[in-house]
Amino acid sequence: EADIYQTPRYLVIGTGKKITLECSQTMGHDKMYWYQQDPGMELHLIHYSYGVNSTEKGDLSSESTVSRIRTEHFPLTLESARPSHTSQYLCASSEFQDSSEAFFGQGTRLTVV
Amino acid sequence: GQNIDQPTEMTATEGAIVQINCTYQTSGFNGLFWYQQHAGEAPTFLSYNVLDGLEEKGRFSSFLSRSKGYSYLLLKELQMKDSASYLCASKDSNYQLIWGAGTKLIIKP
Repeated sequence: EADIYQTPRYLVIGTGKKITLECSQTMGHDKMYWYQQDPGMELHLIHYSYGVNSTEKGDLSSESTVSRIRTEHFPLTLESARPSHTSQYLCASSEFQDSSEAFFGQGTRLTVV
Repeated sequence: GQNIDQPTEMTATEGAIVQINCTYQTSGFNGLFWYQQHAGEAPTFLSYNVLDGLEEKGRFSSFLSRSKGYSYLLLKELQMKDSASYLCASKDSNYQLIWGAGTKLIIKP
């Protein structure tokens, strides 16, 4: 059983609001990721981290930021939510080895009205 | 560019066998993953191939041909609970996963 948790599970918020999606894992994994997934579509990488104080941008990073102050915690912040941000956000973690599989959280379904 | 192709949807009968194909074009190659994703849930890991050949794990097997940029996931003795989307993902030269859109598998009694 994977131990990676995301909060909130569901969020409805107004345009222009600042929001932070939380992600925590208790497996001691070095690598953590944030993905965005629309229904029936592929996962798109937003941000990733190789460890504490390491953050890298993915394909869809321009409107969000992340931090990695602690190994277990990797929050994602949208500075100003827009309706185009409506989507499912998935957090994942993996061990550092390249063959390691990623464990996913249950996701946050975000709706911006 | 980088691309993962897999069929959008497949239908199979309970108890039967189904093969889900995936072709990939990525800058470099460092392994091919298959994940299962039930509707509204997170993806869960099924298999990993980095060398050519077949990897068998219970009712599920995964095959890789690096020269052809091709993989398939084989599901045997299908059960209703196998109804889900199956995601193919290739790890590129930067060790980042490039994901396909998934194949929605519908199991009929």
